[in-house]
Amino acid sequence: GAVVSQHPSWVICKSGTSVKIECRSLDFQATTMFWYRQFPKQSLMLMATSNEGSKATYEQGVEKDKFLINHASLTLSTLTVTSAHPEDSSFYICSAKGGTDNYGYTFGSGTRLTVV
Amino acid sequence: GENVEQHPSTLSVQEGDSAVIKCTYSDSASNYFPWYKQELGKGPQLIIDIRSNVGEKKDQRIAVTLNKTAKHFSLHITETQPEDSAVYFCAAGVSTLGRLYFGRGTQLTVWP
Repeated sequence: GAVVSQHPSWVICKSGTSVKIECRSLDFQATTMFWYRQFPKQSLMLMATSNEGSKATYEQGVEKDKFLINHASLTLSTLTVTSAHPEDSSFYICSAKGGTDNYGYTFGSGTRLTVV
Repeated sequence: GENVEQHPSTLSVQEGDSAVIKCTYSDSASNYFPWYKQELGKGPQLIIDIRSNVGEKKDQRIAVTLNKTAKHFSLHITETQPEDSAVYFCAAGVSTLGRLYFGRGTQLTVWP
């Protein structure tokens, strides 16, 4: 089946630094990737949608200069949290859509970001 | 946009009993309805999905029903086991548009 690998699984960084999270589709070409943010005991909140080779589409209220998304290939998308602050601490999850099944969505295992 | 409501927010059942989680959606254009199980610290895992041309789908102890007219769909888990304890999310979307809209989640606890 479709597999999406997300790294790192957890990261701790200092305030003001940047952190990059990778999302890779291992056995299919992901035409579209989605980045979600999840606070404890809450639902998944869509941050942005990215299509390979084009600029990401950000949801309302999400700072595109703070959360940089790059989808340079059909198997890799990255989310960079720039100038991280403690309030950016959260669980970030990617999802990839592609393959022959037009309905297929596969989620990564998530990244726990803690900013100290 | 789409609005997905999910109930209940918490559900406790005895091992062996059935569990039912219900969701409603607002956009009649939605045609794809997946259910995800999320364990603590992990990403969501697809457990079953249903498309709008089907009214019911079953996979062993898990079943999903869809009522397009009423715009609601439900997850049924029979013969629950402690390993079923997790947070379950329903979602709805229009497959060609890509994004999914999620419910708020249901914390299911199965007591041995």
